[in-house]
Amino acid sequence: GAGVSQTPSNKVTEKGKYVELRCDPISGHTALYWYRQSLGQGPEFLIYFQGTGAADDSGLPNDRFFAVRPEGSVSTLKIQRTERGDSAVYLCASSPGQGDQFFGPGTRLTVL
Amino acid sequence: SQKIEQNSEALNIQEGKTATLTCNYTNYSPAYLQWYRQDPGRGPVFLLLIRENEKEKRKERLKVTFDTTLKQSLFHITASQPADSATYLCALSRGSTLGRLYFGRGTQLTVWP
Repeated sequence: GAGVSQTPSNKVTEKGKYVELRCDPISGHTALYWYRQSLGQGPEFLIYFQGTGAADDSGLPNDRFFAVRPEGSVSTLKIQRTERGDSAVYLCASSPGQGDQFFGPGTRLTVL
Repeated sequence: SQKIEQNSEALNIQEGKTATLTCNYTNYSPAYLQWYRQDPGRGPVFLLLIRENEKEKRKERLKVTFDTTLKQSLFHITASQPADSATYLCALSRGSTLGRLYFGRGTQLTVWP
């Protein structure tokens, strides 16, 4: 079956621009997570959705970062006024609720 | 905050040997611990989950142990193969099975023929 998909696979933007990253979870998974991963580091938690609502957004680094999941399926991570420090691989994962998380391939964001 | 340490950044072993990776954590005792495999340019792939009341879990050539007294998990790959070469990530959850995961930085395993 289809796994978690993320688009775009690569995004290059200029400092100060706005970007949106999309995640399509596995059908039927109610939990959806966003992480970001810098080179040589493990994934760092950003936000977790249970259904349409954000159950835990404590990992969002500041108010430039925002995520939505309006219909309880697809999610969009939005970053305003991008900074060079935002450059990383942004990973999305979904879960059926047993603990294991299924990750997408990630979106590599580069802020010039 | 939770701190997770994986024993080394890189581990090189010969094919057929057993690879042993270590994950140590501080502060909170996790409800459960997971191991993931990550290949370059890809997202992590779930391998095994072990709960705080379990000592050991096995899946084919993989074995995970969990010692809550030592605050340590060991991950073993027996009869290692070059195809096992990847980065292995340890991840902890403090609460429910739906909560966030805290990841270590990973150990890069290379199995040479």
